Amino acid sequence: EIVLTQSPGSLSLSPGERATLSCRASQSVDSGYLAWYQQKPGQAPRLLIYDASRRASGIPDRFSGSGSGTVFTLTISRLEPEDFAVYYCQQYSNSPRTFGQGTKLQIK
Amino acid sequence: QVRLVQSGPEVTKPGASVKVSCKASGYTFSSFGISWVRQAPGQGLEWMGWISGYNGYSDYAQKFHGRVTLTTDTSTSTAYMELTNLKSDDTAVYYCARDQSSSSIFFDPWGQGTLVTVSS
Repeated sequence: EIVLTQSPGSLSLSPGERATLSCRASQSVDSGYLAWYQQKPGQAPRLLIYDASRRASGIPDRFSGSGSGTVFTLTISRLEPEDFAVYYCQQYSNSPRTFGQGTKLQIK
Repeated sequence: QVRLVQSGPEVTKPGASVKVSCKASGYTFSSFGISWVRQAPGQGLEWMGWISGYNGYSDYAQKFHGRVTLTTDTSTSTAYMELTNLKSDDTAVYYCARDQSSSSIFFDPWGQGTLVTVSS
C-alpha cells in the first residue's frame, strides 16, 4: 500500500500569512491521483483539492494544490480565521486508498 | 443539494456486530458509489471500502476483509456498512462519503458521521 507522510505535523501561523503543507508518498502516485481535505473539530472532512491541483466546487481560490510523482503540496495563500483546521492528503492511485496522518494548522 | 445522512450513535459489546446506514439525497444514487472511512478518537482517517451504487461491485481494504460488508438499497438510496466481531479498537466515528460509481477515487461530500463505541 502507498504510505503518505505529511509534514509538518503541526504548523502555527497568523491570519494573512501563507501556509505550505507537504505530502510525500512512499511510491509514485499515478496521474496525480491525490486529494486534500480539511477537517474542523467535530465535523466531517471536506474535499478541497482533487487530481492534485483541481479545486472542488465552492473552494476559495486561496487554496491551491501542486505536485506529481511522490511529492505534493497544498498552499493556502492568505490564511483566513476559518482555515485553521487539520488537513489530510489522500491517494487514489492504488488500493487501498490511504490518507496521510494529517497536518494541524494552528493560530499563532 | 447533495446530502448523506447517517444513522445514530451505537454502543455495543466486543464480539457483536454493528450496521450503520447512510441515506443519500440530492443526486442519482445509481450514478455514484459510496466509500466508508473511519476515524478513531483523536486519530486520522482510515478507508474501509467502497461500493458501487450502479452494480453493487465492492472493494475492501485488506485489513477489514471478512469483517466488513457493504451493501446498498437502490430503492431507498441507502448504503449500509456492517462490521462484525467488534473489538475495542473499532471504537470510532464511521463516515460514509459519495464516491465514483466505477471505482473509488475521492470523497465528496461526507455524511455527518456515526460514533460506534465498543465496550464491555
